This record gives sequence, C-alpha cells and structure tokens, in this order.
Amino acid sequence: GAGVSQSPSNKVTEKGKDVELRCDPISGHTALYWYRQSLGQGLEFLIYFQGNSAPDKSGLPSDRFSAERTGGSVSTLTIQRTQQEDSAVYLCASKLAGGVFTQYFGPGTRLTVL
Amino acid sequence: TQLLEQSPQFLSIQEGENLTVYCNSSSVFSSLQWYRQEPGEGPVLLVTVVTGGEVKKLKRLTFQFGDARKDSSLHITAAQPGDTGLYLCAGAGGGGADGLTFGKGTHLIIQP
Repeated sequence: GAGVSQSPSNKVTEKGKDVELRCDPISGHTALYWYRQSLGQGLEFLIYFQGNSAPDKSGLPSDRFSAERTGGSVSTLTIQRTQQEDSAVYLCASKLAGGVFTQYFGPGTRLTVL
Repeated sequence: TQLLEQSPQFLSIQEGENLTVYCNSSSVFSSLQWYRQEPGEGPVLLVTVVTGGEVKKLKRLTFQFGDARKDSSLHITAAQPGDTGLYLCAGAGGGGADGLTFGKGTHLIIQP
C-alpha cells in the first residue's frame, strides 16, 4: 500500500534502555509529524519536519527525545534512557506540504517500558 | 496554550439511537478537523470545517462549526455498530505542528 508505515508495531523495553522508532511517510509528502498518544490523553505533538527547514521541536518533552529525517523521507524517533512514563503509542503522520492539507497517520508504535 | 475540550469522554448507546459529541475551546481556530480512530490504527480524517456556522454532512454524520469558530459538534443519526471508535477533534491556527491542537477524544461504543 501507499500509506504511512511505522515499525515496529510493538516495542517492549526495559527502563533505561534506548529505543528507535521508524516512520516511512507517503512518497512525495514533504511534511512529517510525530505525536504521542497516552491512555486517556489526546494526541500530543512532539516534532514536525517540513522539507529542508529546521524541524519544529517545540513538543519534545525532554532532551531524551530526538528525531531525524534523512533525505526528506524516512524519520526515526529516538528515546534515550527510557522511563515508564514514556509508555504510549507513538504516531507518525505525513502531509503533502505545509499548510492546509490532510495529515495521513500511520498505525503507530506501541511502546511499553517495564 | 490552546486547549480543546471534548465531551462526553465516553458514550455507549444502542444501535439506532442518535448522539452528539462536542468540542469546545476558549480559543478561535482558523479551521477544525474531526478524526476517527479505531484500535491499533492511526486517526483518519473525517472532515474539515473552516467557516463559522458551517455545516457539513457525511452520510449519517453532521458536523457543525460554531459561529465564533471556537467550538464544533458531531451529530450521528441512527448510530451503527460500525460507528464505534475514538472521535478526535483538532483545531488549526496557532502554536506548533502547523497549528494543530487535538482534544482528548470521545470513546464511542454502539451496541447492536
């Protein structure tokens, strides 16, 4: 299919370990978002990439969180020294460009930190 | 910080009943979107409303944007079990992430 894909679909890790979550956006989409969805919470914005512009990192909750987007396509969200409160579903979305376009979401990665 | 409050948080009704979900804010948004999310999947956009007072219909779903562009409602007529899911509203116009702010969602269960 041509939708947004994310891997892994599920990740269980131990407290203190680092994890990497991957997002493959729809081909040709220049905008890419990462969100976090915790139980009982709405989607919490983490970071936004638009083309070659500097990413908007205003939603990252701490310096343990980082993300990169290589070649304007695949993105990786890294969480260092994971904590139990990092347990959530991490969603990636892509959009054709900035502005008023539809965001297409991937199925998410469910992260569980023991 | 712009906040979107959704109500009710949880709703369980019988097939065939009508229901309304609300999305309220003290802030003005340039547009508002409604998404539906099923377990294990990402949210899927249902509709975008842009103009104050705008009403859009999608089969049995009716979406309304408040005149002041601060609130919105989603009305479902003759609910079906297939309508079950998490309904999220999201406002655009300010802040990060291209200005998209999400509510916490309404968990809807339609019992056959």
